[in-house]
Amino acid sequence: NAGVTQTPKFQVLKTGQSMTLQCAQDMNHNSMYWYRQDPGMGLRLIYYSASEGTTDKGEVPNGYNVSRLNKREFSLRLESAAPSQTSVYFCASSDPGMWDQPQHFGDGTRLSIL
Amino acid sequence: LAKTTQPISMDSYEGQEVNITCSHNNIATNDYITWYQQFPSQGPRFIIQGYKTKVTNEVASLFIPADRKSSTLSLPRVSLSDTAVYYCLVGDEAGRRALTFGSGTRLQVQP
Repeated sequence: NAGVTQTPKFQVLKTGQSMTLQCAQDMNHNSMYWYRQDPGMGLRLIYYSASEGTTDKGEVPNGYNVSRLNKREFSLRLESAAPSQTSVYFCASSDPGMWDQPQHFGDGTRLSIL
Repeated sequence: LAKTTQPISMDSYEGQEVNITCSHNNIATNDYITWYQQFPSQGPRFIIQGYKTKVTNEVASLFIPADRKSSTLSLPRVSLSDTAVYYCLVGDEAGRRALTFGSGTRLQVQP
């Protein structure tokens, strides 16, 4: 049971390059999320998708776009990478409305922008 | 979303019980309280969730007073492998809305 799978695990970009982070879940969850975590900090929400076909901005959406490709997959795109976007990116999924159904996280993508 | 406040760090020794208290004064009627654990280089992992009174599972206990303005995560007999960052979150039906993570409590367990 893979859970939430993120690719790639590591990536180095140059300023101005574009990049798409991939996320897939095999738990048939309706909701999916993208967070970023800067060193020594908690996670901050970038975008989320409450259900297939919908996306909403989170706390720090600037510089990012997302696509909910289908129920399983939710991608995050950096159109023009900036050094301030150096961070660890986590994808999560959940089944909202169900008591005792928390968010399940992937192991992250470590992104460095030079 | 209700803001949470928890200690930045705590130290303990193997075999001791650890209690981490989280303050959430503005918790809403429909909000649940959820705790996550995060090891270095990994995503957060669900520990326990509750609405009121006490909840216990194989990993931890969660104590919530009647006014629900705080909660306490209790880890019995910690081991070195419990060294991690612990996050307290408050939200409306875990997963219905994206959760707000604070800075968490960094627990260091010594031998």
